[in-house]
Amino acid sequence: DAGVIQSPRHEVTEMGQEVTLRCKPISGHNSLFWYRQTMMRGLELLIYFNNNVPIDDSGMPEDRFSAKMPNASFSTLKIQPSEPRDSAVYFCASSLRDSYGYTFGSGTRLTVV
Amino acid sequence: AQTVTQSQPEMSVQEAETVTLSCTYDTSENNYYLFWYKQPPSRQMILVIRQEAYKQQNATENRFSVNFQKAAKSFSLKISDSQLGDTAMYFCAFRSGGGADGLTFGKGTHLIIQP
Repeated sequence: DAGVIQSPRHEVTEMGQEVTLRCKPISGHNSLFWYRQTMMRGLELLIYFNNNVPIDDSGMPEDRFSAKMPNASFSTLKIQPSEPRDSAVYFCASSLRDSYGYTFGSGTRLTVV
Repeated sequence: AQTVTQSQPEMSVQEAETVTLSCTYDTSENNYYLFWYKQPPSRQMILVIRQEAYKQQNATENRFSVNFQKAAKSFSLKISDSQLGDTAMYFCAFRSGGGADGLTFGKGTHLIIQP
């Protein structure tokens, strides 16, 4: 298995631009999680899906952030418009529901200038 | 809401020594899971070890073991015979046993293994 695949690995964009981060979970996993990592706040859960349905988005910082999971093999995290304070590493992780094993992707380092 | 606290921002030991990383957590639940993740400079999050709260026996994985004290809500990680490749950030994490919820992470401990 190729693991959880995230793209791009690095993204540099200008303030105000739209940014889309992508994630392909492990085949067969039915839970998907988006995390954000910053020096100040550490690792924060933004949103998670079970069977493609968003369950808890209370960690999404504001309306500029949105996430979708149109099918079991693909999810996106979109920021529109982006701001410099959105600069962080964004991780996607997947697991089997009711299983305590999580597999993380390699993360996307986002820099907003 | 659960909280996870790692009180050691950074630790440094000599190669081959044993080192213990501390983690405490706060929860009102009785059923939950605890994890230690390693994040090397490559930034990949690697699962080191995990513990189910209902198990009294401490988990071990080769050179890695935990000291799980449920009453004290403590979950420390011991690394024996430390190696240069153990240099990384180490995160303690909590997951509720009630469903497929996300992980709550501590702020991490930067472990440096000196040659």
